[in-house]
Amino acid sequence: SQTIHQWPATLVQPVGSPLSLECTVEGTSNPNLYWYRQAAGRGLQLLFYSVGIGQISSEVPQNLSASRPQDRQFILSSKKLLLSDSGFYLCAWTTGPWEQYFGPGTRLTVT
Amino acid sequence: GDSVTQMEGPVTLSEEAFLTINCTYTATGYPSLFWYVQYPGEGLQLLLKATKADDKGSNKGFEATYRKETTSFHLEKGSVQVSDSAVYFCALSDPRNDYKLSFGAGTTVTVRA
Repeated sequence: SQTIHQWPATLVQPVGSPLSLECTVEGTSNPNLYWYRQAAGRGLQLLFYSVGIGQISSEVPQNLSASRPQDRQFILSSKKLLLSDSGFYLCAWTTGPWEQYFGPGTRLTVT
Repeated sequence: GDSVTQMEGPVTLSEEAFLTINCTYTATGYPSLFWYVQYPGEGLQLLLKATKADDKGSNKGFEATYRKETTSFHLEKGSVQVSDSAVYFCALSDPRNDYKLSFGAGTTVTVRA
């Protein structure tokens, strides 16, 4: 069966520090991968998605970047965090036109 | 582009009450429609889905019917429980758009005993 992992689960970082969040998927091949952000009390905003290794599409210009070094690994990064980067970050995958499957999320607080 | 509008909350109900959360969508193609649920501090779980017009998705007592004529996918449950307290998201997926999901803003539902 397929599983999706995200780490860390929670993170508190000062403004201006770097960020690296990791997402890995098991039990499937060549998935589409997605990064979403959920700000407090708000809906989900798609940040990046990838249809293959090294292929990244950005939905919203911002302080973040994404990479996909391996088929089932998706990384969200920042060189210098802003207060506005705080939120709940969710990774998701799919292999077809149907539903996406979400990871447990990483709660990021920038202080 | 694709978009989803769902009724704003919060919604507070008593146990065994009837729940309806309205959802309408705009899409140029023939999207698939979903309801996701998010329990406190957790990621999103798929609640139900419908992939073509007139399909009815159902799970855990929840139902929603894909109405193309009204571009709607309203979520209903006849008798809610305290354990149904969560945030509910309506979403659509357009296969012509790399299967990206467009989400509604979410509706917070609280069920009181």
